[in-house]
Amino acid sequence: DVKVTQSSRYLVKRTGEKVFLECVQDMDHENMFWYRQDPGLGLRLIYFSYDVKMKEKGDIPEGYSVSREKKERFSLILESASTNQTSMYLCASSPPPGQGYYEQYFGPGTRLTVT
Amino acid sequence: DAKTTQPTSMDCAEGRAANLPCNHSTISGNEYVYWYRQIHSQGPQYIIHGLKNNETNEMASLIITEDRKSSTLILPHATLRDTAVYYCIVKRRGGADGLTFGKGTHLIIQP
Repeated sequence: DVKVTQSSRYLVKRTGEKVFLECVQDMDHENMFWYRQDPGLGLRLIYFSYDVKMKEKGDIPEGYSVSREKKERFSLILESASTNQTSMYLCASSPPPGQGYYEQYFGPGTRLTVT
Repeated sequence: DAKTTQPTSMDCAEGRAANLPCNHSTISGNEYVYWYRQIHSQGPQYIIHGLKNNETNEMASLIITEDRKSSTLILPHATLRDTAVYYCIVKRRGGADGLTFGKGTHLIIQP
């Protein structure tokens, strides 16, 4: 079974702090994704990566950056956390387009609260 | 991506088959139907997908009408652990963008 793990289930940070959310997958998937999920707004794509050191902006990249130094690991960085970044953050991975790209496997999520 | 329409909520008795409908009347020829679910406080889980033939895996069956304008996800013997929000999504298989979940169907399995 595909396993996607995220570094924390719950995280509380203060406004202005730098926050790192880590995601690791064990299926040798090329693609990795970071989403956030908010009530009433559904799932929104922040960034995705289709290869090591490659990244693409999703729908809401402002205030975030990402890092992919190894194939299995994709990090989401909040340079200066703000209260409007309080959310559930979900990491996912998948094979390349045409080989199951939309069969995305999600981690358990990190519920981040910024105070 | 084609728009999908699902009922807001459904109930099903434990042990019975749960049939979740989805309308996608504007689906294009190269678009697939995908189903995901999300159990409370967990990440979404991929269930199944199909193009035009019926599909079955260890979790569920997917029935797509001949005109492809609607589909039904079937959980053959629902358990309490199947209580979740179920999302029907239509995507072009060769695409490379993110997933977008609508409101989905909140399926409640009753003991």
